[in-house]
Amino acid sequence: AQSVTQLDSQVPVFEEAPVELRCNYSSSVSVYLFWYVQYPNQGLQLLLKYLSGSTLVKGINGFEAEFNKSQTSFHLRKPSVHISDTAEYFCAVSGFSNTGNQFYFGTGTSLTVIP
Amino acid sequence: EAGVAQSPRYKIIEKRQSVAFWCNPISGHATLYWYQQILGQGPKLLIQFQNNGVVDDSQLPKDRFSAERLKGVDSTLKIQPAKLEDSAVYLCASSLVAGPGITEQYFGPGTRLTVT
Repeated sequence: AQSVTQLDSQVPVFEEAPVELRCNYSSSVSVYLFWYVQYPNQGLQLLLKYLSGSTLVKGINGFEAEFNKSQTSFHLRKPSVHISDTAEYFCAVSGFSNTGNQFYFGTGTSLTVIP
Repeated sequence: EAGVAQSPRYKIIEKRQSVAFWCNPISGHATLYWYQQILGQGPKLLIQFQNNGVVDDSQLPKDRFSAERLKGVDSTLKIQPAKLEDSAVYLCASSLVAGPGITEQYFGPGTRLTVT
């Protein structure tokens, strides 16, 4: 079984400060990891994904995440946030089972950037 | 390329009424997903289609929810009868293939359902 835990439901941060959004996963199979962003009244948009290879993954809008297998984590980071980064962020895990690819999303982290 | 289309964007119904949502995936995407996103929660997979066949519907409340993708392209999700707890955003997503090796899911804007 696979699951995702996002440890922080809300993260307020001042503009231009760094931010880290935490994500831990559990899985009994090889995993693929994703971060999605959801702006108000919009669908989910892929920020970045880890499939294999380098454990440091760079995504859009200056975000990056590091896959840590020993700690089963995939934390999202940005060195300097902007007001426009205010949104809901979802971590997701996917693995292949006998019923195909299955995606599991975390409960989300609401990032609020304070001017 | 055009994204995943969903309609309607908003729907308000009374409990015990019926409602249907429509989704048109990205052209050529074989896999289509319906998710339910309750306020304050992450999306929960309801059903996954591979072409016109169901791959996973283990979390679909089959006593009231149904979905079809008859021609392997667009899909309809129906709720009959609706309950108050069905109030949520219903997201449709599509991906190119399903199987070993992962593919990115592309999401539509969602349909916000309010059941009163």
